[in-house]
Amino acid sequence: QSALTQPASVSGSPGQSITISCTGTSSDVGGYNYVSWYQQHPGKAPKLMIYDVSNRPLGVSDRFSASKSGNTASLTISGLQAEDEADYYCNSYTNSISYVFGTGTKVTVL
Amino acid sequence: QVHLQESGPGLVKPSETLSLTCVVSGDSISRGGSWWSWARQPPGKGLEWIGEFHHSGRTNYKTSLKSRVSISVDKSKNQFSLDLNSVTAADTAVYYCARNGDSAWYFDYWGQGTLVTVSS
Repeated sequence: QSALTQPASVSGSPGQSITISCTGTSSDVGGYNYVSWYQQHPGKAPKLMIYDVSNRPLGVSDRFSASKSGNTASLTISGLQAEDEADYYCNSYTNSISYVFGTGTKVTVL
Repeated sequence: QVHLQESGPGLVKPSETLSLTCVVSGDSISRGGSWWSWARQPPGKGLEWIGEFHHSGRTNYKTSLKSRVSISVDKSKNQFSLDLNSVTAADTAVYYCARNGDSAWYFDYWGQGTLVTVSS
């Protein structure tokens, strides 16, 4: 199972919106509505930001939204803030009865 | 509040077995429908899912690791363990335990992670 493809880096100025893509195949992203997104600050454990494609857990800012079209999922961060600077990983369930993470995207707030 | 804590040796020799334990508080690993997972992250690299187990005893593993990995549970101690045998330097990573969410298809609580280095 190959890692899902994400851009290595995305940047934006405070207040702007950015979008991170996550491309897989019909065996993972395209085949199931089980895509999740995680935020990871340096030296910290991942934090769940989105589950089941577009649902936010309690406590996660509504500045984070996500969607899926075909084999590509997307995470959008609106009103970018300094605290959003982190690594972001997508994840999907697969037809191999397993999970696969994305390659990771470093978000920089300019 | 659910809390997970990994523990185990920080240094393992090549060809030996890496063994880690995850103690859970705030939830029961025996809770009906619950799944629990292990993941890892090599230094400076991305996350990799290793495997999971169901409260019923079922397990699922990443295909490429299946021949070397085993996840077991000690319900009396509310903890689960990871064994990875025949380790090499490529297995050097921060290892995380996590709880699969209520619908099982994501990971809502994570341990802080523990670094395991494979070196002689």
